[in-house]
Amino acid sequence: QQQVKQSPQSLIVQKGGISIINCAYENTAFDYFPWYQQFPGKGPALLIAIRPDVSEKKEGRFTISFNKSAKQFSLHIMDSQPGDSATYFCAVPNTGTASKLTFGTGTRLQVTL
Amino acid sequence: GAGVSQSPSNKVTEKGKDVELRCDPISGHTALYWYRQSLGQGLEFLIYFQGNSAPDKSGLPSDRFSAERTGGSVSTLTIQRTQQEDSAVYLCASSLNGAMNTEAFFGQGTRLTVV
Repeated sequence: QQQVKQSPQSLIVQKGGISIINCAYENTAFDYFPWYQQFPGKGPALLIAIRPDVSEKKEGRFTISFNKSAKQFSLHIMDSQPGDSATYFCAVPNTGTASKLTFGTGTRLQVTL
Repeated sequence: GAGVSQSPSNKVTEKGKDVELRCDPISGHTALYWYRQSLGQGLEFLIYFQGNSAPDKSGLPSDRFSAERTGGSVSTLTIQRTQQEDSAVYLCASSLNGAMNTEAFFGQGTRLTVV
């Protein structure tokens, strides 16, 4: 069974700063690794996902860095804005299937003015 | 509809009662997933439907939990003889082809409170 550790549990960043959230997993997986963003009272929304054969993917202010050998990947939010304040979840595909994900426990990000 | 719709939004039930949670996926999406989100925890996989294939029920925590999907569209998650530990937000998601990690859309969830 896949194990996922996400850190930190909570994060406070000033507007304009860089937010970094980390995830580590145990079992090798071969499909896309996604990050989800969840606002209070809403379901999670897919934010960005990376293929395991790529070391970095950037979409706007959001970047995933992926270290396959270390089984770690991280989300970087550049120029963080108050509107980015949300809970972020990493997820890892279960071996052999993209239909079942193991999620991290979430990081609550607060971006202050 | 435009997105995944879940009902009710909130449900308070007494311990021991049965509850039914409903999910209307995005039209045309063949895959449907149920996840559970407990306070301070990540999302926990419950069950996955893909087209006419037998569902993957490997995440259901006990035989009190069951789910069905009628006509390849609407799904109902049923919890029998509810317990306090069943209190959580139950999330439904759907995707076009079964790639949860790149194309799934979640509903807003049903918050279940067992008292």
